[in-house]
Amino acid sequence: GAGVSQSPRYKVAKRGQDVALRCDPISGHVSLFWYQQALGQGPEFLTYFQNEAQLDKSGLPSDRFFAERPEGSVSTLKIQRTQQEDSAVYLCASSLFVAKNIQYFGAGTRLSVL
Amino acid sequence: SQQGEEDPQALSIQEGENATMNCSYKTSINNLQWYRQNSGRGLVHLILIRSNEREKHSGRLRVTLDTSKKSSSLLITASRAADTASYFCATDANQGGKLIFGQGTELSVKP
Repeated sequence: GAGVSQSPRYKVAKRGQDVALRCDPISGHVSLFWYQQALGQGPEFLTYFQNEAQLDKSGLPSDRFFAERPEGSVSTLKIQRTQQEDSAVYLCASSLFVAKNIQYFGAGTRLSVL
Repeated sequence: SQQGEEDPQALSIQEGENATMNCSYKTSINNLQWYRQNSGRGLVHLILIRSNEREKHSGRLRVTLDTSKKSSSLLITASRAADTASYFCATDANQGGKLIFGQGTELSVKP
């Protein structure tokens, strides 16, 4: 079956521009996670959804970052007024349920802010 | 901020040799997982060890967990060139599924 799909794979934005990153999780997966990965580092947690409810957004670095999952399936991570320090790979992961927390990752969106 | 520390940061070995990577973490955990990431790709789950387990095997992978030392190791036996990738440990502290990743070990296996 299809895995986690993210689009676009690459995004170049001018500083100050708004961007939207999309994640299609594995069908039926309840939990959805967003991570940010800087070059040469491990992923860092941004936010987590269980179905449509955003249960933890403690990792979002500023109020310029906003995530939603309105119907409990596809999720969008939006970054407003992008800055150079936002340049990173944004990874989405889904898992069937929290109790068995094996996460399945998409290939990520590489964001470059110029 | 990341919880895990991994060493070595980079490891280069010959095909057929064993590779050992270590991970340390800071807080109590529900389980610890290892993931693999090929360049430019997403992470792939390898193995999960629960906090009440000490050792687990899966194919050529062997994971140990020492909760008293807050550390884990991943051993890959009889390595292959295709094992070349970055390897990350991730801890699940039962905070809603949020994983805390280490900085990773970059493994290079030369044919």
